[in-house]
Amino acid sequence: AQSVTQLDSQVPVFEEAPVELRCNYSSSVSVYLFWYVQYPNQGLQLLLKYLSGSTLVESINGFEAEFNKSQTSFHLRKPSVHISDTAEYFCAVLSNTGRRALTFGSGTRLQVQP
Amino acid sequence: NAGVTQTPKFQVLKTGQSMTLQCAQDMNHNSMYWYRQDPGMGLRLIYYSASEGTTDKGEVPNGYNVSRLNKREFSLRLESAAPSQTSVYFCASNPGISNTGELFFGEGSRLTVL
Repeated sequence: AQSVTQLDSQVPVFEEAPVELRCNYSSSVSVYLFWYVQYPNQGLQLLLKYLSGSTLVESINGFEAEFNKSQTSFHLRKPSVHISDTAEYFCAVLSNTGRRALTFGSGTRLQVQP
Repeated sequence: NAGVTQTPKFQVLKTGQSMTLQCAQDMNHNSMYWYRQDPGMGLRLIYYSASEGTTDKGEVPNGYNVSRLNKREFSLRLESAAPSQTSVYFCASNPGISNTGELFFGEGSRLTVL
């Protein structure tokens, strides 16, 4: 079985500052890793994913995440945040065997202040 | 293009009442999922259907039943609602063939059990 830990439940940050949202996972098999974003009163949307290949993956709106197998981490970063990035961010893992369904972390609420 | 549609969006029940949450997708996806979202707990998988005609339990199936009516529709039933089932419920779908994990979510159904 796999699990996901997001250590920070809330991250307040000022506009144009850098941010890192932390995600660690545990699994006995190879996994795929994901970040989803949820804006207020909406469903979740895929932000970025790591399946294989380059360990650094990027989204179209400036976020990036790096897969670190030795540390079992997949932290999400952005060098300069905007007010519009205020949302809840969920890290998720999918093992390539067994149950074919995502396991989500508890979420991190990013609050960008002017 | 509607994507994943959930009904109702809001519902208030009394303890012991029954109800069904409806979900339909128009993307010809094979796999469908029901998650519940609770504060500080992220999303937890209730049931999923890898393909038409199959359903499987997730992490928190107790108190729920599901029906994969056809390829488009996947309903979630609460036979005897309890206050612990107060939550936001999300339906999601996935193409399912290669299943690289990207889920497409509905906007959620907010259920309150008094």
